[in-house]
Amino acid sequence: GAGVSQSPRYKVAKRGQDVALRCDPISGHVSLFWYQQALGQGPEFLTYFQNEAQLDKSGLPSDRFFAERPEGSVSTLKIQRTQQEDSAVYLCASSSLGGNQPQHFGDGTRLSIL
Amino acid sequence: GQQLNQSPQSMFIQEGEDVSMNCTSSSIFNTWLWYKQDPGEGPVLLIALYKAGELTSNGRLTAQFGITRKDSFLNISASIPSDVGIYFCAANYGGSQGNLIFGKGTKLSVKP
Repeated sequence: GAGVSQSPRYKVAKRGQDVALRCDPISGHVSLFWYQQALGQGPEFLTYFQNEAQLDKSGLPSDRFFAERPEGSVSTLKIQRTQQEDSAVYLCASSSLGGNQPQHFGDGTRLSIL
Repeated sequence: GQQLNQSPQSMFIQEGEDVSMNCTSSSIFNTWLWYKQDPGEGPVLLIALYKAGELTSNGRLTAQFGITRKDSFLNISASIPSDVGIYFCAANYGGSQGNLIFGKGTKLSVKP
């Protein structure tokens, strides 16, 4: 497709389970970003990739959060031992190379931890 | 951390009215952007601004990058029902720091 694709759209997990969220960026986009959006808030930065290199992971809230992009295209955000406070919408964005290139977002994965 | 102060938090519009919202910060940014988010969807880019003082239009939308590089506004002229949704300002420093910092959003609703 032409846009950023995320799957699954919805994920329900029990507290303590591990989850994996997938992002398929726009073809050819070098930069990939993950954001977390709590209800009623703006998105907050989690981590940034340029190709396969994770250049910034300063926004990851704990060591339970891990992201990878092994071939510089598809990315996976993994959350281990999920907690209720992890419930949020996880958004992925991609852009062309360059710090000021506009980021285009997917529709997100809504994660609910019971 | 860095924050963008976006106002108003919410507003009601009547079809045909003009709408204005703004974002301010204590920090200087190199890029300002405005996004619209509908329920269950991701933010959609409306306007991107790259230069202090820049005024850019996209149809009925007009946005400006403040001359101090610490603020931006978005105007919507002659609003229509499909303008309802949540509008976010976002900014970044550019260069190697590509991550966006977002405001808390302005929710546009239709007047009852």
